[in-house]
Amino acid sequence: ILNVEQSPQSLHVQEGDSTNFTCSFPSSNFYALHWYRWETAKSPEALFVMTLNGDEKKKGRISATLNTKEGYSYLYIKGSQPEDSATYLCALNFGNEKLTFGTGTRLTIIP
Amino acid sequence: GAVVSQHPSWVICKSGTSVKIECRSLDFQATTMFWYRQFPKQSLMLMATSNEGSKATYEQGVEKDKFLINHASLTLSTLTVTSAHPEDSSFYICSVQGMGDQPQHFGDGTRLSIL
Repeated sequence: ILNVEQSPQSLHVQEGDSTNFTCSFPSSNFYALHWYRWETAKSPEALFVMTLNGDEKKKGRISATLNTKEGYSYLYIKGSQPEDSATYLCALNFGNEKLTFGTGTRLTIIP
Repeated sequence: GAVVSQHPSWVICKSGTSVKIECRSLDFQATTMFWYRQFPKQSLMLMATSNEGSKATYEQGVEKDKFLINHASLTLSTLTVTSAHPEDSSFYICSVQGMGDQPQHFGDGTRLSIL
């Protein structure tokens, strides 16, 4: 069984503060890591797809890093805004195009 | 990215009813679509891979006779939950596979409640 772990499960952050959370996975058989943002009553929205060790991607105030050797990825949000409130999902493609998801980190931004 | 429409958004029906959920790729020809299920406080779990023009591939533990998948065109895959029972109550969501290292694109999901 290939487990994808996300921590913390939930997080409350004051508006304007920066935050980060983690996705951990077995480092072997890695092909690609996906990050999605899932707002309530909407469909999951793709943020990043990362494949290379040391990769760092950025989209506005959100960025992500990847360490395939030690099996983790960090997602960072700088200067949190209320619209950042969502569940952030990490998913791994272990080489067969199927995605194995973590349980997500539920982020709530406090105005 | 692809725009995916899933219908209906929620269903409440009696035990023993069969329920069909549609997943449409509106602007992308999808040879492969995925069906996931999510129980409360759990992760999205892949149920099956839907392949246009051929049989779906089911994950271990998913009954293919219970969850019928049809992918007859490049824009439509359907999931039919046959003779649904309360334990089938869950959140079902579909996605379209992107090309190469592209992400998957998801529908809005269907909340199924069986009484």
